[in-house]
Amino acid sequence: KQEVTQIPAALSVPEGENLVLNCSFTDSAIYNLQWFRQDPGKGLTSLLLIQSSQREQTSGRLNASLDKSSGRSTLYIAASQPGDSATYLCAVISNQFYFGTGTSLTVIP
Amino acid sequence: EAGVAQSPRYKIIEKRQSVAFWCNPISGHATLYWYQQILGQGPKLLIQFQNNGVVDDSQLPKDRFSAERLKGVDSTLKIQPAKLEDSAVYLCASSHVTGTDTQYFGPGTRLTVL
Repeated sequence: KQEVTQIPAALSVPEGENLVLNCSFTDSAIYNLQWFRQDPGKGLTSLLLIQSSQREQTSGRLNASLDKSSGRSTLYIAASQPGDSATYLCAVISNQFYFGTGTSLTVIP
Repeated sequence: EAGVAQSPRYKIIEKRQSVAFWCNPISGHATLYWYQQILGQGPKLLIQFQNNGVVDDSQLPKDRFSAERLKGVDSTLKIQPAKLEDSAVYLCASSHVTGTDTQYFGPGTRLTVL
């Protein structure tokens, strides 16, 4: 069974700082990997989807990388803003979606 | 494009009572998912529908949980009877076709069982 781990569980940074969130998975036989954002009391919002044949995807200040062989993905957030404060979840997609437990990010103004 | 709709947003019940949640997916999306998200954890898939057929319900506690998707559009998830450990947020998601496509999530229903 696929297991997905996210480190750190919580992160607090000052505004403007660049940061990296980590996601690791145990089974490298995946179709895609997706990063989501979850705001309190709300559902999940898709940020980036990386197909298994890709190594990275970029959207604005966000860059996600995927290394299937090592079972790792990173989400890089450049020039963090208070509005980036949320929980970030990675989901590994094989026969179904397997979610990590998330990283709770707080960006301090 | 309208998003995934869920109701109610919040529900408080006592243990052993019954409860039902409703989900309306994005128009045209063939695949619908129900997830359970316990506080501090990531979402866990309960059931996946392709149109009105069940694709995966391996993690659905079938002794107390049931779900249906009549006519391949709206879906309901029922818990009967509820236990304390069922307290969680129940998320509905939909995707265009296959299980590997991007999923779009609704706001969730927060269930508290007392």
